Amino acid sequence: EVQLVESGGDLVKPGGSLRLSCAASGFNFNTYNMSWVRQTPGKGQEWISSISSDRTYIDYADPVKGRFSTSRDNDKNSLYLQMDSLRAEDTAVYYCARDLPENDAFDVWGQGTMVTVSS
Amino acid sequence: QSVLTQPPSVSGAPGLRVIISCTGSSSNIGAGFDVHWYQQLPGTTPKLLIYDNTYRPSGVPDRFSGSKSGTSASLAITGLQAEDEADYYCQSYDTTLRRVFGGGTKLTVL
Repeated sequence: EVQLVESGGDLVKPGGSLRLSCAASGFNFNTYNMSWVRQTPGKGQEWISSISSDRTYIDYADPVKGRFSTSRDNDKNSLYLQMDSLRAEDTAVYYCARDLPENDAFDVWGQGTMVTVSS
Repeated sequence: QSVLTQPPSVSGAPGLRVIISCTGSSSNIGAGFDVHWYQQLPGTTPKLLIYDNTYRPSGVPDRFSGSKSGTSASLAITGLQAEDEADYYCQSYDTTLRRVFGGGTKLTVL
């Protein structure tokens, strides 16, 4: 079964840091581009970052550029999101998502992990 | 405020048809980029429903269909069922913002 399982969400103070992980199983992780998408009740879904299968291409949405860093370990079938200088507006459910091949749609989503930034 | 505009809510009686619109601009849908649709049932994770405007992933019933014209796209659901009650999101690509979503539409089956 194709599965993505996120972990690492927590309550953190403004200015703090957090690292999210996403464990993939049931497919050849090293052949897929992967992404992070977050969801808030007020703003809906928001694409955050994408990384190519071979890590040669990484892209970030403007609101997180310079503060967030995406990486992956193909040997461990894992995707990561390092979040620094966190702000209240980063509060959201963070999803790990698999990119549909040669497409910008997301064909598999994890269950999400909650990040709350509050003092 | 989302780059792609969807109605906040739509409703329909069982067995009938509803259409959810997704309006963009010349920098996204109007620029020729494809539109994708997701269904998010209450308390669950989003699920890809339609990709590349009209294609259904395997397992998605043909009651769901998509179309695109100009700067807009639509998701049609025919033969409404109670289990279709969910939030629906459109997504496309924008020349400035990259991947963008609509704000979501809550479908209520009356």
